[in-house]
Amino acid sequence: RKEVEQDPGPFNVPEGATVAFNCTYSNSASQSFFWYRQDCRKEPKLLMSVYSSGNEDGRFTAQLNRASQYISLLIRDSKLSDSATYLCVVNKVPVISGGYNKLIFGAGTRLAVHP
Amino acid sequence: SQTIHQWPATLVQPVGSPLSLECTVEGTSNPNLYWYRQAAGRGLQLLFYSVGIGQISSEVPQNLSASRPQDRQFILSSKKLLLSDSGFYLCAWSSMLHDEAFFGQGTRLTVV
Repeated sequence: RKEVEQDPGPFNVPEGATVAFNCTYSNSASQSFFWYRQDCRKEPKLLMSVYSSGNEDGRFTAQLNRASQYISLLIRDSKLSDSATYLCVVNKVPVISGGYNKLIFGAGTRLAVHP
Repeated sequence: SQTIHQWPATLVQPVGSPLSLECTVEGTSNPNLYWYRQAAGRGLQLLFYSVGIGQISSEVPQNLSASRPQDRQFILSSKKLLLSDSGFYLCAWSSMLHDEAFFGQGTRLTVV
């Protein structure tokens, strides 16, 4: 099982639509969660962190469900400029004490918003 | 504010040639530094990470090596490139206090 799994898509939606992406993770001890956005042939950029209580940033809402080990990203009123690949990112807690805490990236979900 | 610089942006190298990609971070001290590779249409694979000067950890066995000669400098190298080394190489940094990582613009390497 992959450590972080996402539906690769693509999600093809019209402008103004609401779209949601889910992501599941395997390490129940993970503590930090993020969504990144990656445009074609560009570097990933941090979109938002995901907090236990859920958080919202404009048209974007992120939710965390620790019991089911999944996080979600909701985009309302989609814009053409939202077309990109959205990466789910989870930290990997070290098995042994003193080990390094690192980020694991999902393969991404591609979103295409059309007029 | 913090910035990260990575160069070159694109590179075409013949099989068997050496490689050196450089990454520097400005505006912060003692960052955690990372090298990732992204194959076409695939996710990011962590290659190396470093928590301090001279401290390098490798995630996967491969044809590549990394070095951190200065606090804010991270170098990815190879003595002899393979065709399978082609990909999009990304340098990133994070602070000691927060987990989120910030990426350089990436280097698109094609080995021919």
